[in-house]
Amino acid sequence: DAKTTQPPSMDCAEGRAANLPCNHSTISGNEYVYWYRQIHSQGPQYIIHGLKNNETNEMASLIITEDRKSSTLILPHATLRDTAVYYCIVKLQGSARQLTFGSGTQLTVLP
Amino acid sequence: DVKVTQSSRYLVKRTGEKVFLECVQDMDHENMFWYRQDPGLGLRLIYFSYDVKMKEKGDIPEGYSVSREKKERFSLILESASTNQTSMYLCASSVEGATDTQYFGPGTRLTVL
Repeated sequence: DAKTTQPPSMDCAEGRAANLPCNHSTISGNEYVYWYRQIHSQGPQYIIHGLKNNETNEMASLIITEDRKSSTLILPHATLRDTAVYYCIVKLQGSARQLTFGSGTQLTVLP
Repeated sequence: DVKVTQSSRYLVKRTGEKVFLECVQDMDHENMFWYRQDPGLGLRLIYFSYDVKMKEKGDIPEGYSVSREKKERFSLILESASTNQTSMYLCASSVEGATDTQYFGPGTRLTVL
């Protein structure tokens, strides 16, 4: 699975868009980008995933650059409940059963 | 919404006790997982089950066993709890063939004294 790089921390004002970047310059053509988050003392939560096209669901949008070497998770209107550690994972579908999280980005939404 | 529930949020046990952690999912998922999460070590897979009565060892199965008698329920058993099993235990489930999108329970923080 390709390695990912994320900033260790970010702040965002409540109600504004939170844009969380992830670099994955060694991604291969059939590896997907997955995003999870973990609110303090809770289990991880799946957010979204994509291969090459931009994706949107009720939680977030995922923008993947044309060369696929980086992506951005967008929370369009951040709330205090979005404060969490956000993990970007790059992997082949079904390549391994276990999820392996890096250090992620601690997003703090400020009132 | 997928719902994965775990029997306890917090549990305190003594060394040598037998400990049962229960996990139930309501989305008819074939796959279920047990992880432990420790600071600096991330998520580590203990056991995986892909069907009723079917199980596979993960990375750290020693000291643990599992049971899956019904599709919706996956139990983790610590046969004789030890202090190094103090951890956050997380259960997850996923549909068949989609192990990359896992839905997690709230976790059980187990302390072994």
